[in-house]
Amino acid sequence: AQTVTQSQPEMSVQEAETVTLSCTYDTSESNYYLFWYKQPPSRQMILVIRQEAYKQQNATENRFSVNFQKAAKSFSLKISDSQLGDTAMYFCAFLYSGAGSYQLTFGKGTKLSVIP
Amino acid sequence: DTEVTQTPKHLVMGMTNKKSLKCEQHMGHRAMYWYKQKAKKPPELMFVYSYEKLSINESVPSRFSPECPNSSLLNLHLHALQPEDSALYLCASSQVAGGHTVFNEQFFGPGTRLTVL
Repeated sequence: AQTVTQSQPEMSVQEAETVTLSCTYDTSESNYYLFWYKQPPSRQMILVIRQEAYKQQNATENRFSVNFQKAAKSFSLKISDSQLGDTAMYFCAFLYSGAGSYQLTFGKGTKLSVIP
Repeated sequence: DTEVTQTPKHLVMGMTNKKSLKCEQHMGHRAMYWYKQKAKKPPELMFVYSYEKLSINESVPSRFSPECPNSSLLNLHLHALQPEDSALYLCASSQVAGGHTVFNEQFFGPGTRLTVL
């Protein structure tokens, strides 16, 4: 079974600084998807960024970027120029979808607080 | 319209009640999902519908009964729930790619906060 580990239950960062959230996973599959989701205190989950395992290039979305290390099974999220609105729970998720089977696993989350 | 709506926002019910949660999207997505989320925990997948057919049931107790009347609507019927079923119930939708229910970008609703007394 796939597992997803977020080793930082809580983190804080000063506004305008950069922060990196870690995520590691365990799988024997070679083709899969990885996601970072954000859940602000209002509770609506939003996709932050996604990465296909077959793509070597790290995904970026504006201030959000990932460091995807497939061999190390690591998928960290970097938030640059942190803003107060970035305060939220961040969930790393692993998805494998193949013939006749699938696996969707979320990590336990990292609570990020951006401090003014 | 890139919104998933859920009603009601809050629901309090007794263990003998029957109630329903409703989810709606008008993005043309053909995959819809129900998740259960306990406080400070990640969401747990319950059901997936693809093209209005139930494609995944994560061994959810029968007191939860999903229904997908059309491509825009997803219901979750509740009956004889237990206090431990109290949670935030999230609905999500996504496109279906390549004939598989690939979890493309999922759009989540705000959730229904359910309390079972």
